[in-house]
Amino acid sequence: DTGVSQDPRHKITKRGQNVTFRCDPISEHNRLYWYRQTLGQGPEFLTYFQNEAQLEKSRLLSDRFSAERPKGSFSTLEIQRTEQGDSAMYLCASSLAQGAGNTIYFGEGSWLTVV
Amino acid sequence: GENVEQHPSTLSVQEGDSAVIKCTYSDSASNYFPWYKQELGKRPQLIIDIRSNVGEKKDQRIAVTLNKTAKHFSLHITETQPEDSAVYFCAAAGGTSYGKLTFGQGTILTVHP
Repeated sequence: DTGVSQDPRHKITKRGQNVTFRCDPISEHNRLYWYRQTLGQGPEFLTYFQNEAQLEKSRLLSDRFSAERPKGSFSTLEIQRTEQGDSAMYLCASSLAQGAGNTIYFGEGSWLTVV
Repeated sequence: GENVEQHPSTLSVQEGDSAVIKCTYSDSASNYFPWYKQELGKRPQLIIDIRSNVGEKKDQRIAVTLNKTAKHFSLHITETQPEDSAVYFCAAAGGTSYGKLTFGQGTILTVHP
C-alpha cells in the first residue's frame, strides 16, 4: 500500500495519559498535514510541515499538543495530559508542494477515545 | 481566516435522480476547491477538485462548478446510485497557506434504491 498510513488506528486512554500517533506520508510527498475530526463535523486543520519545517499551527493546537517531523519523512503527533475533549479522529494527509492546490491525500485516521 | 459554509446538511434522493450540494467561502484569495467523499469510519477520499482558473469540471457522473465572483461552488452528481451514499465535504484552500484546507460542515447524502 503506497498511501498515507497511520498508527495506531485506535487508541483508548485514560484521562491524563499521554498518547502519540505516527503518520507515514506518501513517499515522494514533502508536505504533511494533521487534521482532527469529530463526529458529524468536517476535518479541522491542526498543523502542517513542509519537509521538516512546521510552517503553520492552528489555534486548536494547544500547548498539550506537539507535532514533529524530524527527518522530513514520517511525523508524530503527541497529546500530553489527555482530556475527554481530545476524543476524535486524528487524520494525517500529505501532498506535493508545487504551488497552490496540489491534491491532498488522507490516511485512514487514528481514533482516540479518552475515558 | 477562511470560512466555508455547506448546504444542505442532509440530502435524500431516489436512485437515478441528481444531487446538488452547494458551498460558499469567504476568502477571495482561495483558489483551490476539492470535494471529498467519506464513508462511515473511512478516510476522506478526493472525488473531484477545481482550481480558480476554470469555471466547471466534469468527471463521468460528477461535476463541480465555481463562481469566483459570488464565492460559491457546487457539486453535481447525476444518475445517483446507492453506493453514492456517504458524507460529502467541500473545502477551500489558497492565499498565503496553500496546503491548509478549510472544510465545510458536510452533507449526508442518502440514495434510496
